[in-house]
Amino acid sequence: KQEVTQIPAALSVPEGENLVLNCSFTDSAIYNLQWFRQDPGKGLTSLLLIQSSQREQTSGRLNASLDKSSGRSTLYIAASQPGDSATYLCAVEANSKLTFGKGITLSVRP
Amino acid sequence: DAGVTQSPTHLIKTRGQQVTLRCSPKSGHDTVSWYQQALGQGPQFIFQYYEEEERQRGNFPDRFSGHQFPNYSSELNVNALLLGDSALYLCASREVTNYGYTFGSGTRLTVV
Repeated sequence: KQEVTQIPAALSVPEGENLVLNCSFTDSAIYNLQWFRQDPGKGLTSLLLIQSSQREQTSGRLNASLDKSSGRSTLYIAASQPGDSATYLCAVEANSKLTFGKGITLSVRP
Repeated sequence: DAGVTQSPTHLIKTRGQQVTLRCSPKSGHDTVSWYQQALGQGPQFIFQYYEEEERQRGNFPDRFSGHQFPNYSSELNVNALLLGDSALYLCASREVTNYGYTFGSGTRLTVV
């Protein structure tokens, strides 16, 4: 059974800091890995998708990497802003379903 | 271009009742999945529909059922509601494999 872990559960940083959010998964037989952002009480917004044959993807200030062999992914956020405050969820896809971690709640202080 | 649309946005039901949630996928998407997200948890996979058939199912009881229509829209039905069914229900769609999922804003279901 696939398990996805995101540690720590919460993170508070000052504005402008570069930060790394970690995600680990137990079964390396995945199809895709996707990072999402969730604002309180809202749905999920897709940030980055890494296909199993890829190693990383970039979008603006975000960069995500994938190491299937070690069961790890990282989401790098450059020059963090208060608007980045949200919960960040990592999800791995296998057998047509996504398995999510519990998320990391990020607070960026002005 | 409209994304994934879910209705209603909020719903309050009494224990034992039945509920139907609706989802319209993003234009061009033919695969629809449903997820349940309890407070403070990651979403849990309920089931996926493709070509009007249930293709995969997660670890949810038979009280949870669904349907996909020829226009790819979908419904999630929950019978005999329990207090523990209170959650945010999310619908996700996508076009083909190798592309990521697009999620709707969800339906917040409260069972009292």
